[in-house]
This record gives sequence, C-alpha cells and structure tokens, in this order.
Amino acid sequence: GQQVMQIPQYQHVQEGEDFTTYCNSSTTLSNIQWYKQRPGGHPVFLIQLVKSGEVKKQKRLTFQFGEAKKNSSLHITATQTTDVGTYFCAGRNNNDMRFGAGTRLTVKP
Amino acid sequence: DGGITQSPKYLFRKEGQNVTLSCEQNLNHDAMYWYRQDPGQGLRLIYYSQIVNDFQKGDIAEGYSVSREKKESFPLTVTSAQKNPTAFYLCASSRGGQSPRYTFGSGTRLTVV
Repeated sequence: GQQVMQIPQYQHVQEGEDFTTYCNSSTTLSNIQWYKQRPGGHPVFLIQLVKSGEVKKQKRLTFQFGEAKKNSSLHITATQTTDVGTYFCAGRNNNDMRFGAGTRLTVKP
Repeated sequence: DGGITQSPKYLFRKEGQNVTLSCEQNLNHDAMYWYRQDPGQGLRLIYYSQIVNDFQKGDIAEGYSVSREKKESFPLTVTSAQKNPTAFYLCASSRGGQSPRYTFGSGTRLTVV
C-alpha cells in the first residue's frame, strides 16, 4: 500500500536559522497537503500542491512538489519561535490519503 | 463560526469499559474521519465516512466502532477490545471531491487506567 515517509523526525534550530522537512511517497501522488500542529493543538491546513514541480510560498514558508510527484518539501527561512510545532505532509493517491509521521520543530530564542 | 467540535477534551476510563468520543461539525461537510495520534507518531486512520449512513474501516479499526446517522455527527466508540486505547484522538471533516482539505477538531485525549 501507499506509504509516506517524512524526515527528519525532530529538528532543533536556533532562532533565525532555516528549517526544511522532506516528504517521500512510495507511489505517485495526485496531490500533497501540508499541516501544522502547534504543541497541545490540532493539525491546521497550510497548503496543497497539485502540479508537478509546483512551488508555493507563504511568507517565510516555501513548499515544493517534486517533478515526479513522489516527494515534497517545506522550507522555513529564518525561523521564529512562532514556528514551533509539528509539520505533517499528507499525500493523496486516488481516494487514499496518508499522513507522514511529522517533523517536530523546536526553536531556541 | 463554522467548525468541528470534539468533546470532551480529556477523558479517563477504567480498563474494560467502552467509551464514546463525540465529534460534531457545522461545516456542511460530507466526509468525516477519525484519527489516532500517539507520541512521536503520525496520524493513523481509524474510520471514515463519506456520506450519511455509510462508513469504512481505516488502517487501525480493530477495537473501535462508529456510526453516521446524521451528517453533522460522527461519534467514535472505543471498546474494551482495543488493546491499547490510551491516545490522542482527532476527528476531521472535509468536503467531497478529489482534493479536499481537512478541518480538524481540537482532539480528545483518552487515558485508560
């Protein structure tokens, strides 16, 4: 069955440093979504990527979808303490949507 | 404001007891989902429903049951057959279609002692 792997599991950065999390699927995806879960909170939708090679930006966040539509990344430039949380990717293949295990980001002020 | 409500936020139960977690949405979403989240792990799908009076098993349905008698409601029962029920349970909903975004509830943290 479809599997979505996400790395790293944890990332600790100094405030101002960049951060990247990667998502890889065992199958070609129709789209990929990214969610953020703050500590003690619930996942909140950030963005969806659909097209091969697509790149979308939200302020300091840059999302990419691979050319083969099997991988994706989320890059945060100059992290802030408000960026702390767990970032999940969710890949969809037909009607099957799978979440990655998430990358937990901590930011030291 | 439209949203999805889970109750209670914290729930304690004795081992061997069934417990029902509530999930209500007023977003007029057709599809609803139940996920389980364990520390350091991702979201694992328990059950989902794409339409009223119909639901499907997810990856870890054993020991759980659901019902979908109303569009707005998708309660989850954790039965005594669930071997390790202590976890954070998240309910989500979405519109139909090919690429729906999920709206999550605030979750219920279940502790079985």
